[in-house]
Amino acid sequence: AQSVTQPDIHITVSEGASLELRCNYSYGATPYLFWYVQSPGQGLQLLLKYFSGDTLVQGIKGFEAEFKRSQSSFNLRKPSVHWSDAAEYFCAVGASNTGNQFYFGTGTSLTVIP
Amino acid sequence: DTEVTQTPKHLVMGMTNKKSLKCEQHMGHRAMYWYKQKAKKPPELMFVYSYEKLSINESVPSRFSPECPNSSLLNLHLHALQPEDSALYLCASSQDPTPYGNTIYFGEGSWLTVV
Repeated sequence: AQSVTQPDIHITVSEGASLELRCNYSYGATPYLFWYVQSPGQGLQLLLKYFSGDTLVQGIKGFEAEFKRSQSSFNLRKPSVHWSDAAEYFCAVGASNTGNQFYFGTGTSLTVIP
Repeated sequence: DTEVTQTPKHLVMGMTNKKSLKCEQHMGHRAMYWYKQKAKKPPELMFVYSYEKLSINESVPSRFSPECPNSSLLNLHLHALQPEDSALYLCASSQDPTPYGNTIYFGEGSWLTVV
């Protein structure tokens, strides 16, 4: 079955510390991968996406993600977290066999402590 | 400009009311979407419009009625809603109606409270 898993429901990091949010997918076709961020009371903002090519992709706000086909993962990273990064983060996956939609993971809530 | 605009931002309605949520994009996108999102949950797809025609209805109750008047506008008509329908309703659009190489852009959402 097709699925997207974000194993960490909630993560707390100190401001200035590094961050890694995990995302694993299970699809039979080549996936198209996205990370979105949702601040409280806001819509979803696209952080970055992977379609093909270089497996390390850079996004906005200093985020990057690495596609690892062998591990079926697309983890999001940031070297130094800012207090404004506190938000909900969603991984999403589309594939050539998913029709007109893509699938979201369950989300990871990030808390940043001073 | 990757902007999807939704109005109103907040809506409170009674269970017997009729109201509408509106969405607009001027990116020339040919696919538009309605999602429903409950607190601390991922968005759930409700409807997809492809080239102004309804292509996906995810078994949404008939008290939600989508409409796509033209390629830039998407409405969600609400009637006889239940309190459990209270949620954030997100509109989104993409260049083409498939995630195959396309990015979905979201609006800020409309917060709906049914009383």
